[in-house]
Amino acid sequence: AQTVTQSQPEMSVQEAETVTLSCTYDTSENNYYLFWYKQPPSRQMILVIRQEAYKQQNATENRFSVNFQKAAKSFSLKISDSQLGDTAMYFCAFMKLWGAQKLVFGQGTRLTINP
Amino acid sequence: ETGVTQSPTHLIKTRGQQVTLRCSSQSGHNTVSWYQQALGQGPQFIFQYYREEENGRGNFPPRFSGLQFPNYSSELNVNALELDDSALYLCASSPEPSQETQYFGPGTRLLVL
Repeated sequence: AQTVTQSQPEMSVQEAETVTLSCTYDTSENNYYLFWYKQPPSRQMILVIRQEAYKQQNATENRFSVNFQKAAKSFSLKISDSQLGDTAMYFCAFMKLWGAQKLVFGQGTRLTINP
Repeated sequence: ETGVTQSPTHLIKTRGQQVTLRCSSQSGHNTVSWYQQALGQGPQFIFQYYREEENGRGNFPPRFSGLQFPNYSSELNVNALELDDSALYLCASSPEPSQETQYFGPGTRLLVL
């Protein structure tokens, strides 16, 4: 079974700073997907960024980028030039390439951006 | 393009009752997954439906059941409610089971007293 661990329950930074959220996972699969989802107080889970394990290049989406270390089973999210609207719970998630397409989530990191 | 919608937004039930939660998938999506998110936790996979058939199930008892309709909307039914069933129930849709990105609805908050 796959597990996802987020070791930082809460983080807080000032607006415009850069912040990195950590995620590690455990799997015996070789091909899979990794995701970061954001859940603001409105509760709706929003996809932030996606990484395919077979791609060596780290994914980027505007101010969001990941550091994917496959051998170390590590998948961190970097948010540059943080904004007040980035305040939310952030979940790291894993999905196998085959079988039931279920997301396995970590426990989440509560990120607060202070003005 | 209409996103994923869920109803109701909030619900209060008592222990032992039954509840039905509803989800309308995003236009063009034929796969629906349901997740349970307890307070302060990450979501847990309940099951997935693809073209009206169950396509995978998580570690939830049989009193959690579901349906998918020809228009790909879906229901989650929970019988014999227990206090621990209090949670946010999230529905997510995707174009196909093999499409890795799932798009989530706003959830239904269920409180069991």
